[in-house]
Amino acid sequence: AQTVTQSQPEMSVQEAETVTLSCTYDTSESDYYLFWYKQPPSRQMILVIRQEAYKQQNATENRFSVNFQKAAKSFSLKISDSQLGDAAMYFCAYRSAKWAGNTPLVFGKGTRLSVIA
Amino acid sequence: DSGVTQTPKHLITATGQRVTLRCSPRSGDLSVYWYQQSLDQGLQFLIQYYNGEERAKGNILERFSAQQFPDLHSELNLSSLELGDSALYFCASSSGVGNTIYFGEGSWLTVV
Repeated sequence: AQTVTQSQPEMSVQEAETVTLSCTYDTSESDYYLFWYKQPPSRQMILVIRQEAYKQQNATENRFSVNFQKAAKSFSLKISDSQLGDAAMYFCAYRSAKWAGNTPLVFGKGTRLSVIA
Repeated sequence: DSGVTQTPKHLITATGQRVTLRCSPRSGDLSVYWYQQSLDQGLQFLIQYYNGEERAKGNILERFSAQQFPDLHSELNLSSLELGDSALYFCASSSGVGNTIYFGEGSWLTVV
């Protein structure tokens, strides 16, 4: 079974600075998808960014980017120019590509990010 | 708005009771997933349905059951409720082929 580990329960960053959240995963599969979800105090789950394992290029979405290291099974999230609205719980998630990718997400335990004004 | 609709948004019930949570997936999505999130915990996968059939099972208790109907909406039934079942229950849906899974706003269940 796949597992996802987020080793930083809490992180903090100054407004306008850059922060990196860590995520490692364990799988024997070669094809899969990786995601970062954000959960603000409203508890809504919001997709931040996704990465296909077969793509070597790291995904980028505006101020959010990932560092995907397939051999190391590492998938970190970098938030640049941090804003107060970025304060939330961030979850890293893995999704197998079997069954044409119609599989559930496996989540890490999350990292709570605080943004200091 | 993710397009996934969950009802009710909040529910308070007593121990030993039974409740039903309802989920309408995004239009065209065949897969529905149920997750449980207890206070300050991560998301635990409960069960997945694909086009009416059970596809995958996670840490779902025997007291819990789910189904997906021909119109693709899904219901999660929780019975013999215990205090520890108090949690936020998420429904999510996807159209497959590795597409993004979208989450509803969740149903808050409080068991007293």
